[in-house]
Amino acid sequence: SQQGEEDPQALSIQEGENATMNCSYKTSINNLQWYRQNSGRGLVHLILIRSNEREKHSGRLRVTLDTSKKSSSLLITASRAADTASYFCATEKANSKLTFGKGITLSVRP
Amino acid sequence: GAGVSQSPSNKVTEKGKDVELRCDPISGHTALYWYRQRLGQGLEFLIYFQGNSAPDKSGLPSDRFSAERTGESVSTLTIQRTQQEDSAVYLCASSLGQRNEQFFGPGTRLTVL
Repeated sequence: SQQGEEDPQALSIQEGENATMNCSYKTSINNLQWYRQNSGRGLVHLILIRSNEREKHSGRLRVTLDTSKKSSSLLITASRAADTASYFCATEKANSKLTFGKGITLSVRP
Repeated sequence: GAGVSQSPSNKVTEKGKDVELRCDPISGHTALYWYRQRLGQGLEFLIYFQGNSAPDKSGLPSDRFSAERTGESVSTLTIQRTQQEDSAVYLCASSLGQRNEQFFGPGTRLTVL
């Protein structure tokens, strides 16, 4: 089964609202990363949070990591139509291989 | 170059033919990764290069898949005797080294008829 599993699978919100996406994983990790993929484009790295960190911010993004629950959340505040994309969480273990979830499709309605 | 580039961007081939996909990483990046993304799915790890050697080939789905890297730069992923289930987007990523952020290319969309 997937190491990183995101939920929900799809999320539709109104522009200006906040979007919260969750990721759960099964085994110990070195870090967890969130990526965005716009339709037909390559992946873009959003944020990396290490296993000894609990929260990180980058612009309108806030990521939390709870290693006791093996879960992470990505919060996008004040969403924009341009945030419409697929979002993936990826976990990195000791051998530096990233394992990706299936992704969350976010639609932000103007 | 400014980013990771891949070629071709699209490839349509007939079942049974061989295909070669190319990845040009960011200059100076010693680590290079290949992933496969089937429609509606997450990424599957295929292979990882550190320099020109591949310490982790665990993701290659069968012996029809092989990859090489030369000059600690360009990498090619070769799929022999393609099958319809090989249809996917193949993504390449590079990073400065282990545990660093991976930068992804735009991918090659492979369609096997």
